[in-house]
Amino acid sequence: EAGVVQSPRYKIIEKKQPVAFWCNPISGHNTLYWYLQNLGQGPELLIRYENEEAVDDSQLPKDRFSAERLKGVDSTLKIQPAELGDSAVYLCASSFRDRHYNEQFFGPGTRLTVL
Amino acid sequence: DAKTTQPNSMESNEEEPVHLPCNHSTISGTDYIHWYRQLPSQGPEYVIHGLTSNVNNRMASLAIAEDRKSSTLILHRATLRDAAVYYCILRDAAGSGNTPLVFGKGTRLSVIA
Repeated sequence: EAGVVQSPRYKIIEKKQPVAFWCNPISGHNTLYWYLQNLGQGPELLIRYENEEAVDDSQLPKDRFSAERLKGVDSTLKIQPAELGDSAVYLCASSFRDRHYNEQFFGPGTRLTVL
Repeated sequence: DAKTTQPNSMESNEEEPVHLPCNHSTISGTDYIHWYRQLPSQGPEYVIHGLTSNVNNRMASLAIAEDRKSSTLILHRATLRDAAVYYCILRDAAGSGNTPLVFGKGTRLSVIA
C-alpha cells in the first residue's frame, strides 16, 4: 500500500513568489495534517483536517498561508507571498479517525528554500 | 500537552542495546507516551506507545516508570539504520484519537559501525 505522497520534494523560489505543496494521504484516512519543520527542530502543526473541514488552524499564518482539502482527500498548502523565513520542510501526515489512538503516517516532506 | 525532556544526542555502537530516556514529570493520568523517530530526509515514523505497562513490538520496547514520570525507549540491537532523531511525545487519550502530535527537539542517535 502506498504511503503519504507529497510533491514536489524540493522547491526553490525567490521571495515574494507564490508556492504550493500537494499531499495525497493514505487511502481511507480521513484526518490530514500539515506540519512545518524548521532546521534542528521538531515538526509543528499548521493545520488539521477532518475530511474536508479544517478543525484546527490556529497555528496557520493566515495572512500568507492557505490550505484546502477539496472532497476530503488530497490537500494543497499555499504560501503567497513567500518570505525568507518560510524556508523549511513542510510535512503532510494522515490518520484514520475513530475513538481509539491512531498512528500518524508522515510523507517525506517538501523542502522549501526561499532566496 | 505536557512537556517532555530528552538528551540532545546519544551515541551507540552497532549491535549493542540502546536506552533512550525521556522525562515527563508533569504527565497526567490520561496521557499516553508515544515515540516517533525521523530518519534523515524522511518524515517521522511511529515506533511505539504505551500508557502504564511496558510494551514490546518488532521495532523496540518501551519501559515506563511506576510513577509514569519517566520512560525509556529500548532498541535491543542498534543497526546503522536506527540512526535518527527520536521523539518522546505525550498525547492526551481523553479526546479524539487524532489530536496532533506536539514534538520537542528529540534525541539524535548516532550509531557507530
